[in-house]
Amino acid sequence: ETGVTQTPRHLVMGMTNKKSLKCEQHLGHNAMYWYKQSAKKPLELMFVYNFKEQTENNSVPSRFSPECPNSSHLFLHLHTLQPEDSALYLCASSQVQGLGANVLTFGAGSRLTVL
Amino acid sequence: EDQVTQSPEALRLQEGESSSLNCSYTVSGLRGLFWYRQDPGKGPEFLFTLYSAGEEKEKERLKATLTKKESFLHITAPKPEDSATYLCAVSYGNKLVFGAGTILRVKS
Repeated sequence: ETGVTQTPRHLVMGMTNKKSLKCEQHLGHNAMYWYKQSAKKPLELMFVYNFKEQTENNSVPSRFSPECPNSSHLFLHLHTLQPEDSALYLCASSQVQGLGANVLTFGAGSRLTVL
Repeated sequence: EDQVTQSPEALRLQEGESSSLNCSYTVSGLRGLFWYRQDPGKGPEFLFTLYSAGEEKEKERLKATLTKKESFLHITAPKPEDSATYLCAVSYGNKLVFGAGTILRVKS
């Protein structure tokens, strides 16, 4: 596979469930990102990892827990979510750290519905 | 406070009807402005990066331009396959801020 792959593509969970989103990039990039996309709202940055180290946490509630075991894999662990957390969660990667002038390559997203 | 504003929110065009999408920004110290295209059920796909006022870039029927306060994405003689959501993003400092996007529908 090439590019950025996200699984699952669709997820429905109850407020008391625990689930995880997975992202894998095959581009040799060193930085990986989680974004939240809600209808008619701008993409909202959640977390940034550079060389496996978290470099940004954009005041995300603790019910979202990221994990980056290596530069190619990124997880978002979910627990006790709220209905307002329903959204499309996008993973992205880039060549180097930071959001300066680097082009992001996005995955297709994981559509999350919290009941 | 909106730092990146895209207009219109939605745009419907007939095939062949040229138009422009706008992305205005209020940040200082622009490092780059990005345009992405997002199809339903997919993630955003990179189109262009513009770095300085006066710069222009073209790709097929799309042309992006940049001034000190805004960017335009001009679509010439659009086709139905150009239908998508177009996102702009502005980079300044160590931040990247996205606009809410313009939904473009081109009817044949």
